[in-house]
Amino acid sequence: GESVGLHLPTLSVQEGDNSIINCAYSNSASDYFIWYKQESGKGPQFIIDIRSNMDKRQGQRVTVLLNKTVKHLSLQIAATQPGDSAVYFCAENGGSSNTGKLIFGQGTTLQVKP
Amino acid sequence: DTGVSQDPRHKITKRGQNVTFRCDPISEHNRLYWYRQTLGQGPEFLTYFQNEAQLEKSRLLSDRFSAERPKGSFSTLEIQRTEQGDSAMYLCASSSGSGSWGNTIYFGEGSWLTVV
Repeated sequence: GESVGLHLPTLSVQEGDNSIINCAYSNSASDYFIWYKQESGKGPQFIIDIRSNMDKRQGQRVTVLLNKTVKHLSLQIAATQPGDSAVYFCAENGGSSNTGKLIFGQGTTLQVKP
Repeated sequence: DTGVSQDPRHKITKRGQNVTFRCDPISEHNRLYWYRQTLGQGPEFLTYFQNEAQLEKSRLLSDRFSAERPKGSFSTLEIQRTEQGDSAMYLCASSSGSGSWGNTIYFGEGSWLTVV
C-alpha cells in the first residue's frame, strides 16, 4: 500500500552543521513531493517542493534531492540554526496530481544543539 | 502566519457532545482541505473542497463527521457524538489550484480537540 516513511525519528545536530533528513516513499506514481516543518503546537509550514522530473531543487539554506530509482527523498539544511528545531515531514501526492491530497510520513524530529 | 485561520484553536468537550470547527482559507484559494493529526503522527487527509463542492472524502471520515463550504469561502467541520478517539488536531489547508506543482498547499495552525 501507499506509505511515506522517514528513516530516523530523531536527528540531533550541532548548531552550524549541515542536517540531512531522509524519506522513503513507496508509490511510484507519485509525481510531487513536499517538505513541511512543524513546530510544537503549530500547523505544518511549507519549506520546499519538487516534482518527479527534477532531481534537485534549492531554496534558501535548504536543498531537496529526489532519487526516483530507489524512491528516496532527502532534505538538506545548511548551517543549521536553533530555529530549525522542529518536526520535519515529507509528503507525496500518490499520483493524485489533480486532487491535492497529500500522504504524509511520520516525521523526523530535528534537535539543534547550541 | 500562512493566512489560513482556524477557530477555535483549542476545544475540550465531553464525550457525546457535538463540536464544530471553522476554517477561513487564504482569500483567493478555491481548494480547501481538512486533515487530522494525532500525537506523533503525520497529518491524514479527511476531505477536500473545490469552491463549494466536496469532491473527496476519506474513509476516516465516519458518518459522525460532516464538512461544509456553503459559499466556497469558509468551511466548517462538525463532529457529532464525539468519542475519545476523536481527540486530535484538525488541520485546515488551502491552495489556489490542485495542490500540485505551482499550487502550494498552506496549512493553518490547527484546532486541538480533546474529548474527555
